[in-house]
Amino acid sequence: SQWGEENLQALSIQEGEDVTMNCSYKTYTTVVQWYRQKSGKGPAQLILIRSNEREKRSGRLRATLDTSSQSSSLSITGTLATDTAVYFCATTSSGQKLVFGQGTILKVYL
Amino acid sequence: EAGVTQSPRYAVLQEGQAVSFWCDPISGHDTLYWYQQPRDQGPQLLVYFRDEAVIDNSQLPSDRFSAVRPKGTNSTLKIQSAKQGDTATYLCASSFAGGNQDTQYFGPGTRLLVL
Repeated sequence: SQWGEENLQALSIQEGEDVTMNCSYKTYTTVVQWYRQKSGKGPAQLILIRSNEREKRSGRLRATLDTSSQSSSLSITGTLATDTAVYFCATTSSGQKLVFGQGTILKVYL
Repeated sequence: EAGVTQSPRYAVLQEGQAVSFWCDPISGHDTLYWYQQPRDQGPQLLVYFRDEAVIDNSQLPSDRFSAVRPKGTNSTLKIQSAKQGDTATYLCASSFAGGNQDTQYFGPGTRLLVL
């Protein structure tokens, strides 16, 4: 497997809190992407970070990439109930093949 | 801009039956992907096309699964003789090789239950 963490993790937090999700990968990649999947929907890309970037921000989202440890994180500040979803990180394998991790279930309650 | 559309949204089969899934990618996207997503797991690539050509089908169980994209636009994924282990959501995605080819746009998926 390409991934260091194999089990689906679950987090439950209160609206307004900040949260950070982590993933680690085993094989070389030049791009790490974070996707969000809401119930009954397909995944939607949130943020893409390349190997020459250490950090990328988009609104309330912040992604980091540490190529030396082959790990990435996604932080959400001031979470909303609408952030409830499953969050996946994904790396790009040969060509345009996306390899997804197992994901983190995030539940934000009011 | 219309997104990726898939049909049907749900399918329930008995083991041994066949089923086809249909995907209409975003207009102008030359690359189309099919993923299988078992419950509580991340999507796993089955096959992908550039235009009408299969680029990689190494993860497609070739004995029962087939996929075509004859005109380089819409695509069909077919399962012959479904098994309970095929129970999953089947996702279609598309991207444009000339643009940010790293970004894939996903459809809502087809939920398959094999009894």
